[in-house]
Amino acid sequence: EVQLLESGGGLVQPGGSLRLSCAASGFTFSSYAMSWVRQAPGKGLEWVSGISGSGDSTYYADSAKGRFTISRDNSKNTLYLQMNSLRAEDTALYYCAKDPIYNRAVGAGNSFDYWGQGTLVTVSS
Amino acid sequence: IVLTQSPATLSLSPGERATLSCRASQSVSSFLAWYQQKPGQAPRLLIYDAFNRATGIPARFSGSGSGTDFTLTISSLEPEDFAVYYCQQRSNWPLTFGGGTKVEI
Repeated sequence: EVQLLESGGGLVQPGGSLRLSCAASGFTFSSYAMSWVRQAPGKGLEWVSGISGSGDSTYYADSAKGRFTISRDNSKNTLYLQMNSLRAEDTALYYCAKDPIYNRAVGAGNSFDYWGQGTLVTVSS
Repeated sequence: IVLTQSPATLSLSPGERATLSCRASQSVSSFLAWYQQKPGQAPRLLIYDAFNRATGIPARFSGSGSGTDFTLTISSLEPEDFAVYYCQQRSNWPLTFGGGTKVEI
């Protein structure tokens, strides 16, 4: 059974940093691209960042470029999101999500067949 | 690529047909997915690449369209189908979602 378990959220002051983690199980983690998708309270879904299965290719929304860094440790089956220079508008529930396609070609975009339950990030003074 | 969903809210009764629209600001070929989200839950993949039902999705859900205009149809609404629906394109980076359509009773 595929499981994605996010952690690392919390309350942080504007300008602060957080590192989110997503522990994956039930599939060959290194063979699937992964993404972070967020949802502000009462709002819609916003894709934040994606990474290829090998970790060699990364992609970012404009809102995340220069502030967030996605990475993965395939030996630990874990996805990360390092978030720096946090702003009030980064307040959201952050989901990790899995690509449905095994070894998708690098550069190709993806949809998401499995999602975690999310970790809440609140940026406030 | 901006995805515009309409209507924002759809008020229907169980047993009725629901037709949801997603329009892209430029062609996304057939690289469009649909998700369902219920309160307090993560989104669930319904349709990928415009018309392919994801594993375990009932046949009453169908997707159509290509290029810039897409439709999600629920042929006969069940009580559990009342939720928010999002479209998402994977044609170009950055990946983007539509703003959602709420299907309410």
